[in-house]
Amino acid sequence: AQSVTQLDSHVSVSEGTPVLLRCNYSSSYSPSLFWYVQHPNKGLQLLLKYTSAATLVKGINGFEAEFKKSETSFHLTKPSAHMSDAAEYFCVDSRMGDSSYKLIFGSGTRLLVRP
Amino acid sequence: GAVVSQHPSRVICKSGTSVKIECRSLDFQATTMFWYRQFPKQSLMLMATSNEGSKATYEQGVEKDKFLINHASLTLSTLTVTSAHPEDSSFYICSARDSPNYHFGQGTRLTVV
Repeated sequence: AQSVTQLDSHVSVSEGTPVLLRCNYSSSYSPSLFWYVQHPNKGLQLLLKYTSAATLVKGINGFEAEFKKSETSFHLTKPSAHMSDAAEYFCVDSRMGDSSYKLIFGSGTRLLVRP
Repeated sequence: GAVVSQHPSRVICKSGTSVKIECRSLDFQATTMFWYRQFPKQSLMLMATSNEGSKATYEQGVEKDKFLINHASLTLSTLTVTSAHPEDSSFYICSARDSPNYHFGQGTRLTVV
């Protein structure tokens, strides 16, 4: 079965410093992986997705993620954090259900950005 | 871009009443929609997969008689929380699949008093 594990429940960085949000996946075959961001009391916004076309995936707002099969990881990074990046981030995988593919969310990582 | 509209954004209801939440795909047809529940400071939990013209597929542990899902058209799915109780208070989010993409509504904050 597929699943994703987000290794950190909270990450705190200073504005202008790099961001690293960790995600490991477990799958018997090449997964489809996503990173979503959720600002307080808001819906979800897709940052990027991996679908095997390229291992380094560039997303919106300067975020990117690298798919590393040898490490079964799909960590999210950004070179320089901005105050507006403070939010909840979810690593998500796509799993086949009874009738269609469905998204299963990781436990989430709350990113705090200090001025 | 594709937009999913969820309504209402907030609702307060009395214990024992039913509440209906709508999820509409505005510029694409969605044969498959999904309903999630999110408790404070927690992740999204998939409740059910809604398929147009057929019965919804519920995740283990989700009461199908409590959370009624109807997907009568290619652009509308509804979630009805029946006989709501305070423990049903939560943030409910819908998602619509526009293969290979998934689009999310803005969520509905349900408070049962």
